[in-house]
Amino acid sequence: AQKITQTQPGMFVQEKEAVTLDCTYDTSDQSYGLFWYKQPSSGEMIFLIYQGSYDEQNATEGRYSLNFQKARKSANLVISASQLGDSAMYFCAMREIPPGSARQLTFGSGTQLTVLP
Amino acid sequence: EAGVAQSPRYKIIEKRQSVAFWCNPISGHATLYWYQQILGQGPKLLIQFQNNGVVDDSQLPKDRFSAERLKGVDSTLKIQPAKLEDSAVYLCASSLEDLYGYTFGSGTRLTVV
Repeated sequence: AQKITQTQPGMFVQEKEAVTLDCTYDTSDQSYGLFWYKQPSSGEMIFLIYQGSYDEQNATEGRYSLNFQKARKSANLVISASQLGDSAMYFCAMREIPPGSARQLTFGSGTQLTVLP
Repeated sequence: EAGVAQSPRYKIIEKRQSVAFWCNPISGHATLYWYQQILGQGPKLLIQFQNNGVVDDSQLPKDRFSAERLKGVDSTLKIQPAKLEDSAVYLCASSLEDLYGYTFGSGTRLTVV
């Protein structure tokens, strides 16, 4: 069974600074995908970034990058140059990839990020 | 393209009453998911449909929850009778066959009093 662990219930960061949100995962599959979502107070889940288990390079999307360490089973999200609008709940999630596998996402418990002016 | 539509946006009911939520996925998305998100927690999968067939409903409390997806398009999730612990946001999502094409709706926030 897949499991996602986010050990930081809450984080604070000063505006314009970088912040790292931690995520570790557990799976017996060799092929899997890792996701980060942002959930503002309005409730919608916004896709931020994706990393495949066989991707050799860390994924980047604008100010978001994923620090993928396969041997350690960690997939930390790095947000550079934080903005006030980044204040939200952030979820790490995983799904299986092999054909025939269920494609559902398994989520961690989330990290509430607050950006301070 | 239009997003995943959910209604109602908010619902308040008394315990032991029944309630239904509706979801219309993105056109062409064969897979539809219902997630339950209790305050302060990550979303938990309740049921997954592929077209109008159930792929996984192992975490659906079947004594009180039911879901259907007629004609492989929109879906309804019902709770009967509701309990206090059912208070949560119910998220609907749909996806294509590609690796990361998930789209979530805005959710229905249910409060059971």
